[in-house]
This record gives sequence, C-alpha cells and structure tokens, in this order.
Amino acid sequence: GIQVEQSPPDLILQEGANSTLRCNFSDSVNNLQWFHQNPWGQLINLFYIPSGTKQNGRLSATTVATERYSLLYISSSQTTDSGVYFCAVEPNNNAGNMLTFGGGTRLMVKP
Amino acid sequence: DGGITQSPKYLFRKEGQNVTLSCEQNLNHDAMYWYRQDPGQGLRLIYYSQIVNDFQKGDIAEGYSVSREKKESFPLTVTSAQKNPTAFYLCASTEDRGLNIQYFGAGTRLSVL
Repeated sequence: GIQVEQSPPDLILQEGANSTLRCNFSDSVNNLQWFHQNPWGQLINLFYIPSGTKQNGRLSATTVATERYSLLYISSSQTTDSGVYFCAVEPNNNAGNMLTFGGGTRLMVKP
Repeated sequence: DGGITQSPKYLFRKEGQNVTLSCEQNLNHDAMYWYRQDPGQGLRLIYYSQIVNDFQKGDIAEGYSVSREKKESFPLTVTSAQKNPTAFYLCASTEDRGLNIQYFGAGTRLSVL
C-alpha cells in the first residue's frame, strides 16, 4: 500500500516562530488532507489539498502532486498550535475512499 | 448542533469481555469509519461503511466487528479475540465520498483491567 512519511517527527518552537512540516507519499493521490490533533485527542481538518496552495489565517499548505509531497506552514506560532499534525492521503486507485495517515509531527509551542 | 458523538469517553475491559463503542452522527453523512490510534502513532483503519447494511474491513479488522443498521450509527465491538485492545478509538464520517473530507468524533480511550 501507499507509504506516508512526515517530518520532522517532533518540533519545539518558541511562540512567534514560523515552521514548515513536510509530508511525503509514495504513490499518486487524488486526496490529501492535513489534520490537527489537540492534546485532548480531537482531530480537526485543516486543509483538503490534493494539489496547489491554500491559506487559512496563519496556516497555509502546498501540495506538489507530481513530486509527491505536501508542506504545511505555520506562521507566528501560538501555544494553542501545540498538538500533533497529521497528513492523510487517498491513492488514485483506491476504490474504498480510505485514507492512509502518516505518523504525525508532534509540535510543542513554548510561551 | 450537528456533529459526531462517541461514547463513552473512557472504557475499561476485563479479560475475555466484549465491549461496544458507540458512534452516532447527525450530519446525514453516508460513509463512516473507525480508526485505532496507539500512543505516539498515526491512525489505522479498522472498518468502514459507505452505506447502510454494508461495511468493509480496513487494515486491522481482526478482533473487531461492526454493524450499520442505521445511517446515523456505526458501533464498534472490540471482541475478546483482540488481544491488545488498549488504544484510542476514533470514529469519522464523510460528507461527500467524492471529496472524502473526514470529520472526527472526540474519541474513546479503551484500557484493559
């Protein structure tokens, strides 16, 4: 099956710093989503971004489908950004609408 | 308010016992999913259902069972055959199977006594 690798696995930032999280995938996809899991376990969908660039406030994401990677940018980080960021993909040949998740990037933003 | 409700938040299982985790949604979504998350890991798909009275195995279905008798409900049973059930279980549903943007419940933490 498709492989999804996220980097870095762990990241510690000072409040106000910027960061870039990366997601590499091993096959062509028709669906890529970024999620944030807060410290209580709730997952929130940040972006649906199979290709191109999107922005939402301090967050933006870019997917280069032909090169099989996606980037999530966090600018002016805040303590509430802490948690785990997951990338999830759906391969082009997937008949069951199943998402495959990466291992996540654990972010801690210090005040 | 529309959303996905999982219950209970915390659940303890005794040796040899079956337990059932509830997932209810009032979003009128057709597709629903169950995932397992182990500490420090990503999510792995257990079962999914794209329509009432139909469901498919995911990557780690052994030791689990599901039913989909109503559109709103997709309960997961962790059977005694699942030897390592301690994990965080997440339920999700999809608004549009074409886009497959998934929305998640708050999860159930299952531990073994």
